[in-house]
Amino acid sequence: AAGVIQSPRHLIKEKRETATLKCYPIPRHDTVYWYQQGPGQDPQFLISFYEKMQSDKGSIPDRFSAQQFSDYHSELNMSSLELGDSALYFCASSLGLAGARTGELFFGEGSRLTVL
Amino acid sequence: ELKVEQNPLFLSMQEGKNYTIYCNYSTTSDRLYWYRQDPGKSLESLFVLLSNGAVKQEGRLMASLDTKARLSTLHITAAVHDLSATYFCAVGKTLWNNNNDMRFGAGTRLTVKP
Repeated sequence: AAGVIQSPRHLIKEKRETATLKCYPIPRHDTVYWYQQGPGQDPQFLISFYEKMQSDKGSIPDRFSAQQFSDYHSELNMSSLELGDSALYFCASSLGLAGARTGELFFGEGSRLTVL
Repeated sequence: ELKVEQNPLFLSMQEGKNYTIYCNYSTTSDRLYWYRQDPGKSLESLFVLLSNGAVKQEGRLMASLDTKARLSTLHITAAVHDLSATYFCAVGKTLWNNNNDMRFGAGTRLTVKP
């Protein structure tokens, strides 16, 4: 079965550079979530989208932005990268209302960002 | 603000022993999740608990939910080395607003020793 696909899987950037992470949800899933997990930390919710509109916002820095496109994939754009942005970034997807009732979120493998 | 507290944060067990991980949360919620994470890997869904009194079991793991006490437990029976991982509980916001995002506990790093 198709899962959530994230790219790239690994990314190395210098301070003050820009990075873009991509997330392709499970087919027919219309809701996407982004989480950031620092080393030894729990995942922190960044932002979510439902039907291409932002549905909730968590601890996402102002230097970061995200959007969901017409094909439901999402991109997380990170600018002016800092050392502290080094983390594993997870994307998850669910199926709108049906997903909300069943409580099912499906996580991708994550994108590991290293800022040097 | 929804807060999720998990304990213990670190757990070292002998194989064959039983233990329970606890997850408390601060506000009313409809959904509680348990995830397993191996180092550097993604989050593997273990259980989704949607109602008060829900109990689910899979192999040596059993999860329960008490929404009145805002408490979930993950019970490990006769631990084996393969269970070594970090276990997260996560609490979801209400269902009605079509928002599925959740808040995670700090995780319990479980090590099962021979």
